[in-house]
Amino acid sequence: EAGVVQSPRYKIIEKKQPVAFWCNPISGHNTLYWYRQNLGQGPELLIRYENEEAVDDSQLPKDRFSAERLKGVDSTLKIQPAELGDSAVYLCASSSGRGGVAGSEQFFGPGTRLTVL
Amino acid sequence: GESVGLHLPTLSVQEGDNSIINCAYSNSASDYFIWYKQESGKGPQFIIDIRSNMDKRQGQRVTVLLNKTVKHLSLQIAATQPGDSAVYFCAENRGRRGGNKLTFGTGTQLKVEL
Repeated sequence: EAGVVQSPRYKIIEKKQPVAFWCNPISGHNTLYWYRQNLGQGPELLIRYENEEAVDDSQLPKDRFSAERLKGVDSTLKIQPAELGDSAVYLCASSSGRGGVAGSEQFFGPGTRLTVL
Repeated sequence: GESVGLHLPTLSVQEGDNSIINCAYSNSASDYFIWYKQESGKGPQFIIDIRSNMDKRQGQRVTVLLNKTVKHLSLQIAATQPGDSAVYFCAENRGRRGGNKLTFGTGTQLKVEL
C-alpha cells in the first residue's frame, strides 16, 4: 500500500514569492493534517481536515497561509507571500481513526523542505 | 505553557546494547502518548503508543513506560541496531475529543555505534 505522497520534495524560492505544496493521503484516510517542522524541533500542527472540512486551523497563519481539500482526498497548502521565517519542512499526515490504542496513529509523508532566500 | 520535552538531545549507544530515551511532559490531561522515529529526510514514523491509564506497553523490541506521578515517559529499545539510528520524538495526544492533535517534544538523536 502506498504511503502519504507529497510533492515537491524540495523547493527554493525568494522571499515574497508564492509557493504551494501538494499531499495525497493514504487511500481511505478521512483525516488529513499539515504540520510545519523547524530544524531540530518536532512538527507543529497547522491545520486538520475531516474529509473536506477544516476542523482545526487555529495554528494556521491566515494572513499568508491557505489550504484546501476540495474533494476530501488530495490537499494543497499555499504560502503567499513567503517570508524568510517560513523556511522549514512541511509535513502532511493522514489517519483513519484506527490503529494504536486509540486510533491515534498518524502516517506521515516525507515532507517538502522549503528554503526561502 | 504546556509542553512535551526531552531530557537528552543526543544519546550514543553500542550496537546490541539497550537504549532508553526519556521524555517529560507537563499536560496531565493528555489521553495518549506516542513515540515517533524520524530518519533523515523522512517523515516521523509511528513506533508505539500508550494510553494514560496504562503504565507499560510492549511492542517488538520496544517498550514504553509511563509514570504519571512524575509525568515521565520513556522508550526502551532492546538490542539496539544500526537501523535504530534516528531522532525520536515523544508526543501527546488528547484523543478523538481533542481532534487527535499531536503535540511533539524537541526530539532525541539516537546514534548507534558499531
